[in-house]
Amino acid sequence: DGGITQSPKYLFRKEGQNVTLSCEQNLNHDAMYWYRQDPGQGLRLIYYSQIVNDFQKGDIAEGYSVSREKKESFPLTVTSAQKNPTAFYLCASTSGSWGEQFFGPGTRLTVL
Amino acid sequence: GENVEQHPSTLSVQEGDSAVIKCTYSDSASNYFPWYKQELGKGPQLIIDIRSNVGEKKDQRIAVTLNKTAKHFSLHITETQPEDSAVYFCAASMGNNNDMRFGAGTRLTVKP
Repeated sequence: DGGITQSPKYLFRKEGQNVTLSCEQNLNHDAMYWYRQDPGQGLRLIYYSQIVNDFQKGDIAEGYSVSREKKESFPLTVTSAQKNPTAFYLCASTSGSWGEQFFGPGTRLTVL
Repeated sequence: GENVEQHPSTLSVQEGDSAVIKCTYSDSASNYFPWYKQELGKGPQLIIDIRSNVGEKKDQRIAVTLNKTAKHFSLHITETQPEDSAVYFCAASMGNNNDMRFGAGTRLTVKP
């Protein structure tokens, strides 16, 4: 089955630690996105990538980093510089820069 | 930039009744308006979308209307069922997922 997978589903981190969230897709999509979801707020764009080896900052990129070495993979690193990292993180992909976004199941990150 | 407001934040209806969720947007250049449904613990899934050259679109029990002059669009769900219970998000973009802006979401509860 084609789709997007995110792992882990739940992640706990101590303050001051970096942590990497995985996002893999087998839809052969060119574009991939990372969103952050907080209670009572809409999804906010962290980073996006339209092609391998290229990515751009979204609205709230500070404290995050990404890489796009393979078409299928778009990992997100939450660094210690992110002041309030506890949130639900969603990865999405599309076949182009527009059109229906397919979302993964999300990773809930909690900083202890 | 674009700003999307969504109302109400919570909505409770009896099974079989209709539900209406409303969104307003600020940028008249926006031309693509998708609606997503997010079930508990899952990523959002596109349920219907509309483009600015259309005033209304319907898909079985779900319909979306768009008023470009007033810059608002609405989701209508008729004959609601318990499985319609979820969080619904509206969004607006100028045709590019990189500038997609999401509403804060509406938690719909359908009581059997």
